[in-house]
Amino acid sequence: QKEVEQNSGPLSVPEGAIASLNCTYSDRGSQSFFWYRQYSGKSPELIMSIYSNGDKEDGRFTAQLNKASQYVSLLIRDSQPSDSATYLCAVKQPGTSYDKVIFGPGTSLSVIP
Amino acid sequence: EAQVTQNPRYLITVTGKKLTVTCSQNMNHEYMSWYRQDPGLGLRQIYYSMNVEVTDKGDVPEGYKVSRKEKRNFPLILESPSPNQTSLYFCASSLSTRGLAEPETQYFGPGTRLLVL
Repeated sequence: QKEVEQNSGPLSVPEGAIASLNCTYSDRGSQSFFWYRQYSGKSPELIMSIYSNGDKEDGRFTAQLNKASQYVSLLIRDSQPSDSATYLCAVKQPGTSYDKVIFGPGTSLSVIP
Repeated sequence: EAQVTQNPRYLITVTGKKLTVTCSQNMNHEYMSWYRQDPGLGLRQIYYSMNVEVTDKGDVPEGYKVSRKEKRNFPLILESPSPNQTSLYFCASSLSTRGLAEPETQYFGPGTRLLVL
């Protein structure tokens, strides 16, 4: 069983719509959750982090966390073509010597003008 | 400018020819890590280092070596590359990974695309 799962996509949405990206994780001890955006051929960049249940908003991005359901999501409002990228969900799990970050396989998002 | 640099950015080599991919950060970060990224598999950790002279295996360490003689540098060594090591490699660094109220973000290098023939 994969530790962090995401729908691979591609997810296609029209410009101006809401894009919804989902992620589930298996370790109930996970403490911190991240969303990275990765353009083709580029390195991942952090766009959101969330640590407690509920919603966290930053501009057009909203991260939602439900630890009971082991589920984290990212909503992108008013999607723009520049949002077309792969979105990586990452989960930080406490360890004995260091906290390990596990990445999901990523969801490819395409915003159609 | 705070950054993580990797060299080379692109490399084509042949099976068995030793190679080194360099990684350097200028942020005085303690923690550094190497990942490989393959289609459908996401980022998988190869090795990590919590500080100078402290390194440990990640999830996919076979066929790789690392060293951390200086805080800023964390080279990835492939002693005898094989075609299954063809991949996109990322080096990353962060200030620390423990004991912070808000965990530090990882800063990624630009990536090294390796093709082993």
